[in-house]
Amino acid sequence: DTGVSQDPRHKITKRGQNVTFRCDPISEHNRLYWYRQTLGQGPEFLTYFQNEAQLEKSRLLSDRFSAERPKGSFSTLEIQRTEQGDSAMYLCASSSSPLNTGELFFGEGSRLTVL
Amino acid sequence: SQQGEEDPQALSIQEGENATMNCSYKTSINNLQWYRQNSGRGLVHLILIRSNEREKHSGRLRVTLDTSKKSSSLLITASRAADTASYFCATEISYSGAGSYQLTFGKGTKLSVIP
Repeated sequence: DTGVSQDPRHKITKRGQNVTFRCDPISEHNRLYWYRQTLGQGPEFLTYFQNEAQLEKSRLLSDRFSAERPKGSFSTLEIQRTEQGDSAMYLCASSSSPLNTGELFFGEGSRLTVL
Repeated sequence: SQQGEEDPQALSIQEGENATMNCSYKTSINNLQWYRQNSGRGLVHLILIRSNEREKHSGRLRVTLDTSKKSSSLLITASRAADTASYFCATEISYSGAGSYQLTFGKGTKLSVIP
């Protein structure tokens, strides 16, 4: 069984570097979500895709963040010119719900540490 | 911004006891969901309750929803050490017109079950 997979699981980078995270959702899930979670907090919504279309972006997603889902399957989240405040767990989730969010299936997350 | 708020922030109980966590929210919702997260891992969906439902059961879990008070509770009966985790409520709201939904998480309750 292939759940949602994320890569890499851990990333340590220096301030100013670019990083890219990849998410492979559950097959045939048309909705894909990115959340960010800092220590002691709940996940915060960043953006979501329905198939290849990016339908919503949070105000948390500054110009340094970009997400793609080119063929409606896997997705990438890129952070340019990383800052120490970007240190967090980046969570990807997918859903098969046809109308609303429905039940989200989460990956194990990609933990980013910016030095 | 986080719409849901869990109470208490932390809860420590003995194995075999029941654990009750509460969630309050601010705006009208389509549904409310509870998720569990083990330390450093992704979130796992537990249960979804729709706005027109008042109570729902799943195994040792019981969820109630009171839309007039904008609150929900999660009861875990006969707790086990393996139930030790953080528990998050998430509210689904509709915004930006028809067809746009967002799932917003609270900060979570950290449950410790002592063997």
